[in-house]
Amino acid sequence: NAGVTQTPKFQVLKTGQSMTLQCAQDMNHEYMSWYRQDPGMGLRLIHYSVGAGITDQGEVPNGYNVSRSTTEDFPLRLLSAAPSQTSVYFCASSYLRPGQRATEAFFGQGTRLTVV
Amino acid sequence: AQSVTQLDSHVSVSEGTPVLLRCNYSSSYSPSLFWYVQHPNKGLQLLLKYTSAATLVKGINGFEAEFKKSETSFHLTKPSAHMSDAAEYFCVVSDRGAAGNKLTFGGGTRVLVKP
Repeated sequence: NAGVTQTPKFQVLKTGQSMTLQCAQDMNHEYMSWYRQDPGMGLRLIHYSVGAGITDQGEVPNGYNVSRSTTEDFPLRLLSAAPSQTSVYFCASSYLRPGQRATEAFFGQGTRLTVV
Repeated sequence: AQSVTQLDSHVSVSEGTPVLLRCNYSSSYSPSLFWYVQHPNKGLQLLLKYTSAATLVKGINGFEAEFKKSETSFHLTKPSAHMSDAAEYFCVVSDRGAAGNKLTFGGGTRVLVKP
């Protein structure tokens, strides 16, 4: 009954370092996405994927890369960390019903990232 | 394009009194609408969802919301606040479409419950 699992829960990076935030889901959901949460701005979409091998940019993609080699995993890579990337990151997954109303998303517990 | 406006960034209520969180949305298609709750340092939990049919939607923990297409609103209410309702609440819209379940979040409403 794991749902969406994110690791790590906390991370401190130095400016210029790279790292990968991991996200895995065990619900066989086609759709996966990454959001960042900043005070007063809700959650903003970084990247998303509608299935293995297919990814696309969201609202705030700069500085981040993603890949989707399997249905279960959707890692988020920070190429060269900047202080502006200090945020809380959430991974989410949901069933995909093309042409139909969107279904609910299931969220991981979040990764709190600080870039110094 | 879709967007969401939560009209209050902070709401303060006394325990046992009603809660009203206001949300207006903009959507090009027939939207799905959601309310999520986030307790401090926790992930997001679905409170309720509107996807079609009944316009009055009941959720968990006594919350409900009414979809009003003419007013493009999806306000969240609870008759009697409990201390455990202190959290941040997000109104979320998603258009129908082949591009998948892109969610657009409101800025959030932080609820304080006074004893």
